[in-house]
Amino acid sequence: EIVMTQSPATLSVSPGERATLSCRASQSVGSNLAWYQQKPGQAPRLLIYVASTRATGIPARFSGSGSGTEFTLTISSLQSEDFAVYYCQQYNNWPYTFGQGTKLEIK
Amino acid sequence: EVQLVESGGGLVQPGRSLRLSCAASGFTFNDYAMHWVRQAPGKGLEWVSSISWNSGTIGYADSLKGRFTISRDNAKNSLYLQMNSLRAEDTALYYCAKGYYDSSGYYGDWGQGTLVTVSS
Repeated sequence: EIVMTQSPATLSVSPGERATLSCRASQSVGSNLAWYQQKPGQAPRLLIYVASTRATGIPARFSGSGSGTEFTLTISSLQSEDFAVYYCQQYNNWPYTFGQGTKLEIK
Repeated sequence: EVQLVESGGGLVQPGRSLRLSCAASGFTFNDYAMHWVRQAPGKGLEWVSSISWNSGTIGYADSLKGRFTISRDNAKNSLYLQMNSLRAEDTALYYCAKGYYDSSGYYGDWGQGTLVTVSS
């Protein structure tokens, strides 16, 4: 099983600033990496797939990068609605696995 | 508009069984692989199982093999998860999810989930 490790567990950032979230895979997943946003009481929302492609309707301030084992989600200028928990997911091999999440909170 | 509506959750004793259902609408169900993902209270996401459009390819999380069975009925636009020998650690909100593309392993649409609580 591929283990996905996200860092940091919690990130405190002020609105308008940039946030950088990291995700590391225990073995290469190529570009088969997705990012999700989840707000309290809601289902996850797909942000990024194939490591760097934004899903439909996702604002351009969200960007993904990386390949192999190291991935990054960047939110260029945080809006109030961006404070949430973010998960990475590898879908290169079954069993698909998620990271444990990064909670992005208001500083 | 894509809609995924889960049902069948509830309180169940350890060792008992439960069958979850997911009613799909707003898209051509038999074009898409479908998935179950769960989330224990206050915890992260865990992939449970996936099934291809024609049920020809099925996968399960390693921890679940032999206890859970995924299935689908394309005529009824429905996805199912039969859960046997339930354990306390199976307590979670179970989401039904649709691939972003027909066979993609990432999920563009999710239901609101059905809560399964395993407790005596």
